[in-house]
Amino acid sequence: QKEVEQDPGPLSVPEGAIVSLNCTYSNSAFQYFMWYRQYSRKGPELLMYTYSSGNKEDGRFTAQVDKSSKYISLFIRDSQPSDSATYLCAMSVGNYGQNFVFGPGTRLSVLP
Amino acid sequence: DAMVIQNPRYQVTQFGKPVTLSCSQTLNHNVMYWYQQKSSQAPKLLFHYYDKDFNNEADTPDNFQSRRPNTSFCFLDIRSPGLGDAAMYLCATSPSGSWNEQYFGPGTRLTVT
Repeated sequence: QKEVEQDPGPLSVPEGAIVSLNCTYSNSAFQYFMWYRQYSRKGPELLMYTYSSGNKEDGRFTAQVDKSSKYISLFIRDSQPSDSATYLCAMSVGNYGQNFVFGPGTRLSVLP
Repeated sequence: DAMVIQNPRYQVTQFGKPVTLSCSQTLNHNVMYWYQQKSSQAPKLLFHYYDKDFNNEADTPDNFQSRRPNTSFCFLDIRSPGLGDAAMYLCATSPSGSWNEQYFGPGTRLTVT
């Protein structure tokens, strides 16, 4: 079993849809959870950063962490064509990036 | 704007011919990273610096070396590129208090012929 798993997609949705992106992980020691967005031929960009369990909201984006299920989610409301990108989850054990690992990413396509 | 800059954006080199990729940052971050990313895969950490303290990942091939002459600049040297080294190389930085917040450059796409 890989340490972090994501459905690679591609996931295609119509503009305006609610998008749900998910990661599962195996290491129960992970405490910090991040979502990065990567446009084609660009570097990843940090979108959301959460600690431990719970929800965090930023504009159209909501990150959820369920440590009991080892499952994290990123929700995008009112999706736009400009949201079309690959979304990488990332996680670590500590604030100093201990055991920092990226998921393989889910490719999202929002169709106008 | 504060940022992470990588040059060149595209690099073509011949099999076995040494190549150097460069990264500079205006964020004044203590931590700098080099990642290798192949198509449809997660970025793979090669090494990182905390200030001048160099940390090599256990599975990074000896063919890959790095230099950080000062806070702003970091270089990735590939001594004898093979066809399997063709990839996107990403430089990233973090502030010393939060290594999980990584700021990436646009990457250098390396082609090996």
